[in-house]
Amino acid sequence: EDKVVQSPLSLVVHEGDTVTLNCSYEVTNFRSLLWYKQEKKAPTFLFMLTSSGIEKKSGRLSSILDKKELFSILNITATQTGDSAIYLCALRSNNNDMRFGAGTRLTVKP
Amino acid sequence: NAGVTQTPKFQVLKTGQSMTLQCAQDMNHEYMSWYRQDPGMGLRLIHYSVGAGITDQGEVPNGYNVSRSTTEDFPLRLLSAAPSQTSVYFCASSYEGGSYEQYFGPGTRLTVT
Repeated sequence: EDKVVQSPLSLVVHEGDTVTLNCSYEVTNFRSLLWYKQEKKAPTFLFMLTSSGIEKKSGRLSSILDKKELFSILNITATQTGDSAIYLCALRSNNNDMRFGAGTRLTVKP
Repeated sequence: NAGVTQTPKFQVLKTGQSMTLQCAQDMNHEYMSWYRQDPGMGLRLIHYSVGAGITDQGEVPNGYNVSRSTTEDFPLRLLSAAPSQTSVYFCASSYEGGSYEQYFGPGTRLTVT
């Protein structure tokens, strides 16, 4: 059965710190891996990764996928209090099934 | 563009009652899906659809029905509500294939007593 495991489950840092969030997975037919940020309400899309070794970047956030070791990381540099959220990793398989991890709750203190 | 809309925002049901959660999108997306989110469990896929007339089961389909008669609408039906269905429900949509940015609706908080 397809599975997505995120670590850590929660993390508390101070503004300016750099954080790395982890997502490991098992999937039968990989199509893509996606990262979302969820604040108070609905998740918002961050990145979609399909190929190993190609870093996706958006401002202070970046992500990379390793399809051989079956994991992805999400990096946030120079964290701000507005980065406080739950970060979700999701796996899409070729049959369009989507599996989400439980999420990492990030708290950034001033 | 209204994006993905969901109604109602909140609902309280008694055990055994039925109801339909509404979801609509105005982006002409082929792919639509329903998730439930419970504390500590992330999002779990209930049902999804890759186009009008086509639906499929996700990870947790039991107790829920869906249909897709138009591209825009994807209602989720609870036939006989149970306390285990207390959750926050999200509808999402995206284009099928290519860049897969999935847009989520604002959610429906359902309580079954």
